[in-house]
Amino acid sequence: GAGVSQSPSNKVTEKGKDVELRCDPISGHTALYWYRQRLGQGLEFLIYFQGNSAPDKSGLPSDRFSAERTGESVSTLTIQRTQQEDSAVYLCASSPGRLTEAFFGQGTRLTVV
Amino acid sequence: GQQVMQIPQYQHVQEGEDFTTYCNSSTTLSNIQWYKQRPGGHPVFLIQLVKSGEVKKQKRLTFQFGEAKKNSSLHITATQTTDVGTYFCAGDNYGQNFVFGPGTRLSVLP
Repeated sequence: GAGVSQSPSNKVTEKGKDVELRCDPISGHTALYWYRQRLGQGLEFLIYFQGNSAPDKSGLPSDRFSAERTGESVSTLTIQRTQQEDSAVYLCASSPGRLTEAFFGQGTRLTVV
Repeated sequence: GQQVMQIPQYQHVQEGEDFTTYCNSSTTLSNIQWYKQRPGGHPVFLIQLVKSGEVKKQKRLTFQFGEAKKNSSLHITATQTTDVGTYFCAGDNYGQNFVFGPGTRLSVLP
C-alpha cells in the first residue's frame, strides 16, 4: 500500500482479555515504531525495530506488552490481560532508515471496558 | 534519560496572529524533527533539522535549531484556521530513535 496501515482501526475489549494490534509498514522501510497516545496527550514510545537488529523494547510499560516483527514487514503489538489504563490510541510508524522521516498510520483506538 | 519539553502546552491565537512553540532537550541532540497532528488525525512529518543554528522555512513556517543543539523553535506567521492542531518536536541524542515532546496544541480563532 501507499502508506502505513493499521488494523483494526477500533477495538473494544473486556478487561482481562488479550488483544493483538497489527501494523503493515511502507514497503522497504527498515525502521518500525510503536507509540501509545492517551487522549489529549503526547506520544509515548513503546518499541522500535530496525532491520535485523535486536528491538529497542525500553518503552514497553509492563511485561503484559510485547511486539514482534517479521523481517522488515508486518508487526504485531500484543497486550495481555488488558487493563482500563491500556485504553489509548496505538500508533505505528515506519521510516526508510534510522533517524529519518517517520510515516504514521491512522492508529488503533483501544478501549478496555 | 533524555527528556524533551515543549512550551507552551496550549496556545490560542486570533487568525492572522503569529505563533511560536519552543522545544527544549535535556541533552544535546543530533537531529530534531517536527510533526503536526490535526484533531483526530495522526502525526505528519514537517521537517528535520540537523545542523547547529540551522534555519529552514516552509511557506509561513520557520524552523530553527539552536546553536547548542539543545533547543528548537517553530514559528508560524499570520496563522490560518488550517494551522489548528498539535505540534510535536522529536529529538534524538545520538541514540536509536527519537523522543517526542508533549506537544503544543494550537487553536486559531477565525
